Amino acid sequence: DAGITQSPRHKVTETGTPVTLRCHQTENHRYMYWYRQDPGHGLRLIHYSYGVKDTDKGEVSDGYSVSRSKTEDFLLTLESATSSQTSVYFCAISDGGPNTEAFFGQGTRLTVV
Amino acid sequence: AQKITQTQPGMFVQEKEAVTLDCTYDTSDPSYGLFWYKQPSSGEMIFLIYQGSYDQQNATEGRYSLNFQKARKSANLVISASQLGDSAMYFCAMREGSLSGGYNKLIFGAGTRLAVHP
Repeated sequence: DAGITQSPRHKVTETGTPVTLRCHQTENHRYMYWYRQDPGHGLRLIHYSYGVKDTDKGEVSDGYSVSRSKTEDFLLTLESATSSQTSVYFCAISDGGPNTEAFFGQGTRLTVV
Repeated sequence: AQKITQTQPGMFVQEKEAVTLDCTYDTSDPSYGLFWYKQPSSGEMIFLIYQGSYDQQNATEGRYSLNFQKARKSANLVISASQLGDSAMYFCAMREGSLSGGYNKLIFGAGTRLAVHP
């Protein structure tokens, strides 16, 4: 199994507070992705990274920021959590070109109350 | 723009029968990859099968095959001899090459929930 770990696995937070989710990999893969999964929407891309300090927005990036200061860690920050950000968050990693599958973390269930 | 569409929110199939899950995509990049993932009720994402845009043959992996029709921009997943353990969510995904400038952005469809009945 690909070495990818998300932390925390579960979190409950209050509206308006900042929250940071961590994705850590031991595979030295170049690409890292953050998704959110909501019923009826599948997995929607929030942000992704194609190298250290190289990131780009996905389709649902509003209210989220990311940072990648080293290859192994990709952080997702909810700057001021809202109830609409209650979701399951997945991190994925991949290497190489378009023919390389992505490996996923176990997911983080975030509840904003 | 890069897009993946799965039009079947739910499907059911009898055990031991075959089932086709639909996926259409849109891209202007000539180089791309198409993937199918399975998500059982436990929540993990399991990679099933891959098809490259330049591949001449349809991909197969055990009971899974990908019916790739490039001109129609479709990449349907066929599961043969369905088993009860195949009950899960199935996601189609696409990853473009770097020609689009998207740096290998990987996007997913909304998914199809498959129920296998005994």
